[in-house]
Amino acid sequence: KAGVTQTPRYLIKTRGQQVTLSCSPISGHRSVSWYQQTPGQGLQFLFEYFSETQRNKGNFPGRFSGRQFSNSRSEMNVSTLELGDSALYLCASSLLAGGHETQYFGPGTRLLVL
Amino acid sequence: GEDVEQSLFLSVREGDSSVINCTYTDSSSTYLYWYKQEPGAGLQLLTYIFSNMDMKQDQRLTVLLNKKDKHLSLRIADTQTGDSAIYFCAERGGATNKLIFGTGTLLAVQP
Repeated sequence: KAGVTQTPRYLIKTRGQQVTLSCSPISGHRSVSWYQQTPGQGLQFLFEYFSETQRNKGNFPGRFSGRQFSNSRSEMNVSTLELGDSALYLCASSLLAGGHETQYFGPGTRLLVL
Repeated sequence: GEDVEQSLFLSVREGDSSVINCTYTDSSSTYLYWYKQEPGAGLQLLTYIFSNMDMKQDQRLTVLLNKKDKHLSLRIADTQTGDSAIYFCAERGGATNKLIFGTGTLLAVQP
């Protein structure tokens, strides 16, 4: 099976712009989670989608939003970009199995805000 | 609250065993995980353990869980230079079901 894919692999934006990142989960996986990784804050949970519904949400401002489509692909949007949004954004997909969710991560999208 | 802590660095010589430690605060955690991240790459799941187990072995990897002390460790036997990476411990919170990651431990393997 193909792994989790994320596009684009990197982006350079300027403050105030908005950005959309895409994630395609492993075939058959219905849950997609997003994480932000920065040197200062480490790996932080953004949100999780399952069957097109947001199931869980981290402590990020409303500028960060996401959605999931009927084919389980997910997009994450960040509006009014700030310098501190520069990070590696990781997407992970899950296969539900008896209540245990093993997450498989994509390679990430590197976002640089200038 | 949920918090996961790890030491930032560990240096070992090739062929030795590595032990990476992790502590967590959520006593209702259901599963605990170890992930590996190589430079420029995403996270790779190495292994996981259910909270009612105290040990799990998978080839060169041994996971030990002390639920009373909320302490998790990952032992890598016969460490190789290819094991050099950042290792993240993560716990799935029992109440929130969120996956909370530690800061990651950079394992440096010296030839």
